[in-house]
Amino acid sequence: GAGVSQSPRYKVAKRGQDVALRCDPISGHVSLFWYQQALGQGPEFLTYFQNEAQLDKSGLPSDRFFAERPEGSVSTLKIQRTQQEDSAVYLCASSPGTAPAETQYFGPGTRLLVL
Amino acid sequence: AQTVTQSQPEMSVQEAETVTLSCTYDTSESDYYLFWYKQPPSRQMILVIRQEAYKQQNATENRFSVNFQKAAKSFSLKISDSQLGDAAMYFCAYDQFYFGTGTSLTVIP
Repeated sequence: GAGVSQSPRYKVAKRGQDVALRCDPISGHVSLFWYQQALGQGPEFLTYFQNEAQLDKSGLPSDRFFAERPEGSVSTLKIQRTQQEDSAVYLCASSPGTAPAETQYFGPGTRLLVL
Repeated sequence: AQTVTQSQPEMSVQEAETVTLSCTYDTSESDYYLFWYKQPPSRQMILVIRQEAYKQQNATENRFSVNFQKAAKSFSLKISDSQLGDAAMYFCAYDQFYFGTGTSLTVIP
C-alpha cells in the first residue's frame, strides 16, 4: 500500500505568514508523529498523536505551532506568524501501534523556507 | 529528558569492508527501545534495525548488527560488507522521540 505522504513538499513563506502542512499516514496506523529537522541535524520531536488524541505536545517550540488530527487519520501542522528560525524540514511519521515500541514509517518531509 | 549522542559526524568505509557507527544515550529507565534509521540523500528515512533493552541478545538484520551495552548505555551499529547503497545519514534513536544528530556515511568504491 501507499506510504506516508506529506504536502506540500516545498513551501516558501514570507515572515509573518501562516502555513499549514499536511500529513497522510499509512491507513490504519494508530500513532502519528511530527518532527522538525534543521539542516544537518537530527529530527527534533514536536508532537505525538494516538488516534485523534494528542498525547504529547511537549516539543512544540512555541504557541505559534499547533497540530491536529481530528478524525484519527490525516494530520495538519499549522505554524502561525512564521519566523525565519522556523525554516526546516518537517517530517511526519506513523506507526501501526503505540509508542515507543513500534517502528516508525516516515514521509518525505515538507521543506519550509521562511524569508 | 533522554539524550542521544552520536559523536562521529562523518565516517567513510571502503566498499566490502566493515564500519561501526557509535551511539550513546542517557536514561534512567530500565525498559526502552533503541533504533537505527537510515536517511539516504533526498529520500525518506527508513528503519535499519531495532533493539529492545530487556533483550540481552544483540539484534541482527542481514549485514547490519548492533552492539548493545546496556550498562554503558551504548548502542553501536556495525555494517558488514559495505555497499555503495549504504551511503546515507544514519540516526540513532531512543524510543520514538529522541534522535541523535546523525553520522554521514560515505562508501568509497
